Amino acid sequence: DAGVIQSPRHEVTEMGQEVTLRCKPISGHNSLFWYRQTMMRGLELLIYFNNNVPIDDSGMPEDRFSAKMPNASFSTLKIQPSEPRDSAVYFCASSLASGTANQPQHFGDGTRLSIL
Amino acid sequence: QQQVKQSPQSLIVQKGGISIINCAYENTAFDYFPWYQQFPGKGPALLIAIRPDVSEKKEGRFTISFNKSAKQFSLHIMDSQPGDSATYFCAASLGGSYIPTFGRGTSLIVHP
Repeated sequence: DAGVIQSPRHEVTEMGQEVTLRCKPISGHNSLFWYRQTMMRGLELLIYFNNNVPIDDSGMPEDRFSAKMPNASFSTLKIQPSEPRDSAVYFCASSLASGTANQPQHFGDGTRLSIL
Repeated sequence: QQQVKQSPQSLIVQKGGISIINCAYENTAFDYFPWYQQFPGKGPALLIAIRPDVSEKKEGRFTISFNKSAKQFSLHIMDSQPGDSATYFCAASLGGSYIPTFGRGTSLIVHP
């Protein structure tokens, strides 16, 4: 079975440019999460969607970050304009959320973003 | 506010030894405690998980010990192997919720 697919795997761009990260969740999963991982702050939850609807974006650092989920099989995380401090590994994860049972998250292999 | 505290930050163990990683949580409403394993260049992957109605769960060489009164849980890796070298994250989530709170991670190196 295909896992969570993220693209690109690596992105190097100059400060001020727009960056778009893409994610395809596992088919049938109804929840999608975007995380950022750095040495300083560990894994940070940026935003999560349930049934394509953004539920909590309180982790989004600032207005330069935006995320969309136009359908159940695709999500994007956009940074505009990008800054060097945005350099990190960005992970997308999906899960099958039920009302009462905890379900594990399945992570993609991440996008390593470097802003010069 | 860090709701799940993980230690140590890094750990070096000889092959065949026991690796122990500890986590402590604050919210007594947490009722699901997964551990994730992350290899370089990969995303975290679920390794083993426990619910607070049991004090221990074992899967192969990996064991979670859970102490509800102390609000602590730990991962024990028996007969540690070089292939176990990875970063390990503990996490906790609330009943009915599917959003874990992660610890900061432990980088484990197992020397051959």
